[in-house]
Amino acid sequence: QVQLQQWGAGLLKPSETLSLTCAVYGGALSGYSWSWIRQPPGKGLEWIGEIIRGGGTSYSPPLESRATISTGRSENQFSLSLTSVTAADTATYFCVVRPLTAYYMEVWGKGTTVTVSS
Amino acid sequence: QSVLTQPPSVSGAPGQRVTISCTGSSSNIGAGYDVHWYQHLPGTAPKLVIFSNTNRPSGVPDRFSGSRSATSASLAITGLQSEDEADYYCQSFDTSLTGYGYVVFGGGTKLTVL
Repeated sequence: QVQLQQWGAGLLKPSETLSLTCAVYGGALSGYSWSWIRQPPGKGLEWIGEIIRGGGTSYSPPLESRATISTGRSENQFSLSLTSVTAADTATYFCVVRPLTAYYMEVWGKGTTVTVSS
Repeated sequence: QSVLTQPPSVSGAPGQRVTISCTGSSSNIGAGYDVHWYQHLPGTAPKLVIFSNTNRPSGVPDRFSGSRSATSASLAITGLQSEDEADYYCQSFDTSLTGYGYVVFGGGTKLTVL
């Protein structure tokens, strides 16, 4: 059974860079895409982007200029970097995996709450 | 403003049937991209309840069903139970802004069990 464990800094100041990492256990290393999705307080879900191991990345158009998703030092890890954060980036961030054959989000991490405040 | 439009809220009494609509356009649902549905309880990770328009993952009760038409989709829940009270999101794929496309969500619908 695939499980995701995520971690990263929970409190940032405006203009800093958000950095989160997710580890994938129990499979989903090939044949899957790894994504980041966020939910601002009181708002809906927003897809940030994804990476395919051995392939490329794609991003949500509004975040493309600030977001970078990369694979980690370990073959089962991937990371999100979001530069120049503002209060609007305050949200719970989820790492997610989906099968390459379809665009549904199959397994979700527990979420990391990130607050941007001066 | 979300690319996919959902009603902000729906409600029903225990045992009743409710439906949640998800309206898209020619660049997402109307272009043939599948619709998926998630159940989200506050403080937890969203849970997939319907994938590829009509399919239920293992473990999801058959009280949950999905359908899709030209540019919209619906999630139906029959035999409503108190544990169904949650936020529900539809999700699809859109190609209106980029050549490669991207994942889009509806704004979410809060289901209240009366």
